[in-house]
Amino acid sequence: KAGVTQTPRYLIKTRGQQVTLSCSPISGHRSVSWYQQTPGQGLQFLFEYFSETQRNKGNFPGRFSGRQFSNSRSEMNVSTLELGDSALYLCASSPASTGRRGYTFGSGTRLTVV
Amino acid sequence: GQQLNQSPQSMFIQEGEDVSMNCTSSSIFNTWLWYKQDPGEGPVLLIALYKAGELTSNGRLTAQFGITRKDSFLNISASIPSDVGIYFCAGQTDLLSGSARQLTFGSGTQLTVLP
Repeated sequence: KAGVTQTPRYLIKTRGQQVTLSCSPISGHRSVSWYQQTPGQGLQFLFEYFSETQRNKGNFPGRFSGRQFSNSRSEMNVSTLELGDSALYLCASSPASTGRRGYTFGSGTRLTVV
Repeated sequence: GQQLNQSPQSMFIQEGEDVSMNCTSSSIFNTWLWYKQDPGEGPVLLIALYKAGELTSNGRLTAQFGITRKDSFLNISASIPSDVGIYFCAGQTDLLSGSARQLTFGSGTQLTVLP
């Protein structure tokens, strides 16, 4: 059973650019969440999607957005990149709508903004 | 917002020793999860706890959901070199609310196992 797949693994972007990250959840999982991991702030929740609907959003500016497709694959977009957006972006999927059966994380996308 | 205090921040232990780490919260959680993260990888779920007072084992790992719902601990017995990594606790709140579908993470415990 394939795990959570995130692409690309590494990305270097220039300040002011925009970026799109992709996440393919485990087959059958309909809940997809995104987290940002930095040395200073740790793991922080970005947003969560279920059946193509964003159900919950963390405390991040509007430059951070996402969407989920009918096949449960999800993308997140960051516009007008800032140096502080450099982080490991993690996607997690869950089989249950409540996430109660735990979340499986992908290996992440390492974004570097220069 | 909710805060999780995880301690210790780092540990250096000899191979074969037992390890204990814990998380405390100012808020109640209905689910506690423990993850391990290796360099360059995403967190991997080790143990999930769903009931206050629950004690669950996974091999050499044992975790407990505190009776107050505001804390949890993880024990690793007879540590081995591959236990090296960062261990995170994560809490999840009321399953009926929108915020239930997000995890609040502790700051992590960096474990180093010396031969």
